[in-house]
Amino acid sequence: NAGVMQNPRHLVRRRGQEARLRCSPMKGHSHVYWYRQLPEEGLKFMVYLQKENIIDESGMPKERFSAEFPKEGPSILRIQQVVRGDSAAYFCASSPGNSPLRNTEAFFGQGTRLTVV
Amino acid sequence: QKEVEQDPGPLSVPEGAIVSLNCTYSNSAFQYFMWYRQYSRKGPELLMYTYSSGNKEDGRFTAQVDKSSKYISLFIRDSQPSDSATYLCAMSEAGGGNKLTFGTGTQLKVEL
Repeated sequence: NAGVMQNPRHLVRRRGQEARLRCSPMKGHSHVYWYRQLPEEGLKFMVYLQKENIIDESGMPKERFSAEFPKEGPSILRIQQVVRGDSAAYFCASSPGNSPLRNTEAFFGQGTRLTVV
Repeated sequence: QKEVEQDPGPLSVPEGAIVSLNCTYSNSAFQYFMWYRQYSRKGPELLMYTYSSGNKEDGRFTAQVDKSSKYISLFIRDSQPSDSATYLCAMSEAGGGNKLTFGTGTQLKVEL
């Protein structure tokens, strides 16, 4: 059973370009969470999605950032017109349910490291 | 003030030592408490979770939660060089599910 798959692992974008980060959850998991880890900071919650629905986007910046989790295919975190401050590691986690307890806890992918030059 | 405070370290201990890692928090609504281990350039890996106050033991790891003091701890017994990593505490509110609030992480190095 493959774990949470994120790609690309490393992404370099010039200022003003778009970044698209992909996350394939573990098999059987229908809940996806995106977190951002800035240098010297902990992981910060961005958005929680279920298939075709955004459940909680309270951690998403108001502009330039969007996320989706379509019925088919991976979840996508999209950052438009990237700026240097967007440089960070972006982690996706998936779970079979919405609880941190055993058997429903979230498993994290290896992350996508975005560098904006 | 951050919701979750964690000493970033680095913390260096000899092999076989008992390691104590701690976090404090300010949000009294937190009900679920977790410890993750993160190796360099890898994703976080869940080590321990507890619900509300109390202790939980799993092998060499013991997690403690003191809600009255808003203080949680992770103890690692007989530490090994393979335990060298960054340890992140994380918390969520009841009903908050896997929407986690993380500490900044403590970097641990276990030396031979």
